[in-house]
Parts: sequence; structure tokens; C-alpha cells
Amino acid sequence: AQRVTQPEKLLSVFKGAPVELKCNYSYSGSPELFWYVQYSRQRLQLLLRHISRESIKGFTADLNKGETSFHLKKPFAQEEDSAMYYCALMVGNEKLTFGTGTRLTIIP
Amino acid sequence: NAGVMQNPRHLVRRRGQEARLRCSPMKGHSHVYWYRQLPEEGLKFMVYLQKENIIDESGMPKERFSAEFPKEGPSILRIQQVVRGDSAAYFCASSQGASNQPQHFGDGTRLSIL
Repeated sequence: AQRVTQPEKLLSVFKGAPVELKCNYSYSGSPELFWYVQYSRQRLQLLLRHISRESIKGFTADLNKGETSFHLKKPFAQEEDSAMYYCALMVGNEKLTFGTGTRLTIIP
Repeated sequence: NAGVMQNPRHLVRRRGQEARLRCSPMKGHSHVYWYRQLPEEGLKFMVYLQKENIIDESGMPKERFSAEFPKEGPSILRIQQVVRGDSAAYFCASSQGASNQPQHFGDGTRLSIL
């Protein structure tokens, strides 16, 4: 069965410093991976997906099949990046399997 | 487009009562997914439905839980004879269902069992 691991429940980073939120997955086939974000008092929303290979709000994520990772990165953290971040894996265009999430706090 | 609409936002029930959670998908979306989030955990898949069909219910508890997505009206997640362990946030998502289309989430319903 597929599984997503986000090892850090909490992560605090100073404003302007680089950010990396870790995500590892286990799945034997070709995965489709996503990062979702939930800002305070807002609904869960899609941040980015690996097939798009795009940068959203300065964030990027590269799928590393060798390490089975999909870490989320941003070179310079901003205060508005404080939120809950979830890594998710989709199998067969159906259900998403989520990690437990990382709460990112940007220190001014 | 108001996005995925869930109601109620908060629902309080006593043990043994029934809970009904509603989800209206985004306009143009015909695929609905329900997820449950227990405290300190990630979202866990429960059920995937299309209009009048349950496609995958592998995440649904075997008893007391049921889901439907009728031809007309919202999708309903129904929990009969609720117990304290049912307290959680229940999220609905919808998608167009075509390949590579992302799921869009509602605000969730927070169910509390007294």
C-alpha cells in the first residue's frame, strides 16, 4: 500500500532564510505527487504538483524517484508562508494519500 | 464559482444519534471524495463517488457509515449511532475526474460527539 511520510510536525524558519519541507513516499508504481497548503482560517488548497514542474509563490518541488522524495523548497521565506503543508500521493487518478502535515512558522 | 460547499461547518451530536454531512461539488465537477482527519493525523481517504455510483469505498468503516451522491442534490456522508471516536473533521473534495485533474477541497465539517 502507498504511504506518505512528513517527518517534521513543526518547522520554524527565520524570514529570508531558505525553507525545505520534507516528504518521502512509498509506492511501487509511477506516483503523482502534490503539495497542499492550508493557511489560517482557510480551506486546503493545491499549491503545486510534480507533473506541472512549476513554481508557485516561490515554492518548487522536485520528484526524486531514487530517494522516493518530493521535498518542497523555497529560497527565501516570507511571513505569509506560515501555514500547514501537506504532501499527498495520488494513485490511479482517484484517492489521495496524505502525510500528517508540517506546520511551518516563519519568524519575523 | 463558490467552490466546494460543505455544511454544516460544525455539528454536535450525542452518542447514538445520526450525523449527516453534506457536500456540493464545484460547478462542472462530477467526482466527489470524502476524507476524515482525526486529531494530530493527516487526511485519510474514505470514499470516492460519481453521480449515483460508489467507485471506491475502501476507506469507509464497515459499519454505521454510508455515502451517496444522488443524481440531484449534494453528496451525503451519513454516520449512524455515532460514538465518541467519530469526532473528527470531515472533508469533501471534488474534481472533473479526467486524467491529471486536481481535487479541490471544501472547508470541512467538524463533528463533535458528546
